[in-house]
Amino acid sequence: GAGVSQSPSNKVTEKGKDVELRCDPISGHTALYWYRQSLGQGLEFLIYFQGNSAPDKSGLPSDRFSAERTGGSVSTLTIQRTQQEDSAVYLCASSPDYGGLRAYEQYFGPGTRLTVT
Amino acid sequence: AQSVTQLDSHVSVSEGTPVLLRCNYSSSYSPSLFWYVQHPNKGLQLLLKYTSAATLVKGINGFEAEFKKSETSFHLTKPSAHMSDAAEYFCVVSDRGRNAGNMLTFGGGTRLMVKP
Repeated sequence: GAGVSQSPSNKVTEKGKDVELRCDPISGHTALYWYRQSLGQGLEFLIYFQGNSAPDKSGLPSDRFSAERTGGSVSTLTIQRTQQEDSAVYLCASSPDYGGLRAYEQYFGPGTRLTVT
Repeated sequence: AQSVTQLDSHVSVSEGTPVLLRCNYSSSYSPSLFWYVQHPNKGLQLLLKYTSAATLVKGINGFEAEFKKSETSFHLTKPSAHMSDAAEYFCVVSDRGRNAGNMLTFGGGTRLMVKP
């Protein structure tokens, strides 16, 4: 596809259940980013990948959150034992490269709206 | 550390009048600055970016922004608002020269309303 895609677009889950959110970046983009957009917190960085590795996990809110990326392409964000405060829109972005002196714009997917009841 | 402050959470203008969305940033390194727009139930779309070339940056849909280092500002402007400009706008900073993976830091957003 031409852009970043995310699935599902909407997810409603019960408190305590695990959820997996998927991101398909733009083909050939080496960097992949996860952000969270929630009321009262705005847009916050969660984690990024250089290829398959994640050098910076400091943005993950708790150890219930984890992410992986395989084959330098698809990424999955997993939230274990979901809590109501996890309700938010989770956004994925990709860019052609990462770090250094060149700045690459990030291309965002449509997001996954997660509601924890 | 980097941070972004959008001075107005809401801006209301009449169609055909100028738009000014204010943004101030803080960065320890040479920053890259971006403006993104988010229409209701849509994804984030890049409007324009500054990366140390020309300080006046032109973007899509007639928007432009000027990087002023002395004022640490990157305000977004448009000469004449259109109804379709109504959306949420985010000022964003990314530190360059760091091994930080171009992590983006977002401002709190400014909701632009355009009255007919």
